[in-house]
Amino acid sequence: DTAVSQTPKYLVTQMGNDKSIKCEQNLGHDTMYWYKQDSKKFLKIMFSYNNKELIINETVPNRFSPKSPDKAHLNLHINSLELGDSAVYFCASSQDRPGGHRNEQFFGPGTRLTVL
Amino acid sequence: EDQVTQSPEALRLQEGESSSLNCSYTVSGLRGLFWYRQDPGKGPEFLFTLYSAGEEKEKERLKATLTKKESFLHITAPKPEDSATYLCAVLDYGGSQGNLIFGKGTKLSVKP
Repeated sequence: DTAVSQTPKYLVTQMGNDKSIKCEQNLGHDTMYWYKQDSKKFLKIMFSYNNKELIINETVPNRFSPKSPDKAHLNLHINSLELGDSAVYFCASSQDRPGGHRNEQFFGPGTRLTVL
Repeated sequence: EDQVTQSPEALRLQEGESSSLNCSYTVSGLRGLFWYRQDPGKGPEFLFTLYSAGEEKEKERLKATLTKKESFLHITAPKPEDSATYLCAVLDYGGSQGNLIFGKGTKLSVKP
């Protein structure tokens, strides 16, 4: 009965590789997000999708590309991985858009990405 | 620029020793202030949402309050299982495209 799930939990890869992280939510929410938490534990928004439509796209390198096949899934693909991409990536979901009334966000367990 | 500042960065309490965590914010128009708890190796767990000054919410030993400039998370008679990092976030629909802006968190340790 997991609400927001992510795979894999750990990802270790070499610089220059391409990798994907998958996220699924079974809460029936309309909006999903990707966050990056750096080594200082600072959590920052990367992308947000509402009903498969991109609504927030923060200043992140275009090596990062989100893809939402349906409103229950939001995947993150990263091309040409760099050392600085090492971080924990969290997926989250909320019922409404950020400006809506039901905007509490529920987070997945995170994916720890290590680029060597 | 929107800012969220949490203090202290770390707090050590003895079991039963009540205290408060602070979250001060500067946003152009507050649409909500959120408190989360994060345990090591896990995602943030939603605790509370506060929308207007004067609002208060409680859950077990936790009580969150909100003024026009800051929010407090009061912990009454904490237990070791309350040890975690507590994150504050604000939603400023006007200035940040509706993004949640997180503070850096307060790491709480409660010793038995």
